[in-house]
Amino acid sequence: EVQLLESGGGLVRSGGSLRLSCAASGFTFSKYAMTWVRQAPGKGLEWVSAISGTGGSTYYADSVRGRFTISRDNSKNTLFLQMNSLRVEDTALYYCAKRFYVNSGYYFDYWGLGAQVTVSS
Amino acid sequence: QTVVTQEASFSVSPGGTVTLTCGLSSGSVSTTYYPNWYKQTPGQAPRTLIYNTDTRSSGVPDRFSGSILGNEAALTITGAQADDEADYYCVLCMGSGVSLFGGGTRLTVL
Repeated sequence: EVQLLESGGGLVRSGGSLRLSCAASGFTFSKYAMTWVRQAPGKGLEWVSAISGTGGSTYYADSVRGRFTISRDNSKNTLFLQMNSLRVEDTALYYCAKRFYVNSGYYFDYWGLGAQVTVSS
Repeated sequence: QTVVTQEASFSVSPGGTVTLTCGLSSGSVSTTYYPNWYKQTPGQAPRTLIYNTDTRSSGVPDRFSGSILGNEAALTITGAQADDEADYYCVLCMGSGVSLFGGGTRLTVL
């Protein structure tokens, strides 16, 4: 059974840093790209970042580029999101999701339960 | 900046049919964007309904179908049920590993 478990969320002051982790199990982690998606309170979903299976390619939304860094440790089946220079508007529930490729397209087939990040002013 | 557009809200009667759409602020949505659709209920993580425009995810009833209608992606729900009440999100694959979510449609069944 595929499981994704986020951790590392919390309350931080504006300008501060946090590192989220997502522990994966139930599949061959290194074979799949992974993604972070966030959801601000009462708002919609927002794609944040993605990383290839090897970790060699990374992608970011404009809203976080230069402040957030996605990485992975395939030996520990863990995905990370290092968040620096945090802003109040980064307050959200952060989901990690597994990306599944099929017929040249892809979708997010498994999601974690999310980690809450709250940035205070 | 490209924005993925969805209706903010929609309502459907039990047993009725509703079509939710997903467009682009500039340009048309085609199969080359591999549109996905997700359902989210309060307090829950999203669940995949449709991927690659029209393929139902495992376990999704055939009341849910995806398509391209004109210049938009579409999610059609037939025979709406009470537990279809949820937020529905489309996602487009924009290339270079980037995905874009629409703002979501809140569907009410009443």
